[in-house]
Amino acid sequence: AQRVTQPEKLLSVFKGAPVELKCNYSYSGSPELFWYVQYSRQRLQLLLRHISRESIKGFTADLNKGETSFHLKKPFAQEEDSAMYYCALQTGANNLFFGTGTRLTVIP
Amino acid sequence: ETGVTQSPTHLIKTRGQQVTLRCSSQSGHNTVSWYQQALGQGPQFIFQYYREEENGRGNFPPRFSGLQFPNYSSELNVNALELDDSALYLCASSFITNTGELFFGEGSRLTVL
Repeated sequence: AQRVTQPEKLLSVFKGAPVELKCNYSYSGSPELFWYVQYSRQRLQLLLRHISRESIKGFTADLNKGETSFHLKKPFAQEEDSAMYYCALQTGANNLFFGTGTRLTVIP
Repeated sequence: ETGVTQSPTHLIKTRGQQVTLRCSSQSGHNTVSWYQQALGQGPQFIFQYYREEENGRGNFPPRFSGLQFPNYSSELNVNALELDDSALYLCASSFITNTGELFFGEGSRLTVL
């Protein structure tokens, strides 16, 4: 059975500090992983997907199959990064299995 | 481009009743998925519809059912409501191509008393 673990429910960092949101997964198939974000009063939206190997809004995430991790990182946090972040594992055609989320607060 | 819209935004039902939630997909999308998000949890996959047929289902009982219409709009029906069904129900539309990018609505918040 699949599992996505986000160990931190809450994470606070100061503006300009590095941020890392942790995500570990368990899946018997070949993993396709994503980070979704929900800003205040906005709907849930895709931030980035591992297969694209892209940087979005300064965030990157590397899939580490050995450690079964897909941590989200940004070298310098900005106030506008404050949001709820969900790690998600694709288990079927556009079927996503979400973690419980981490609320990131960037302190000015 | 019209985004995903859901109705109603809030509703209250009592245990044992039935509820229908509605969703209009984003223009051009052919697949709709429904998710349940309980308080403090991530969204949980209920089911997906493609070409008006169920195309995948999560770990939800048969009293959760759905429909997709030719215009790609969708309904989620829940029968015999239980207190634990209280949650935010999210609709998401996408193309069937396997990109994993879902476009979410703002959700319908159901409270079961």
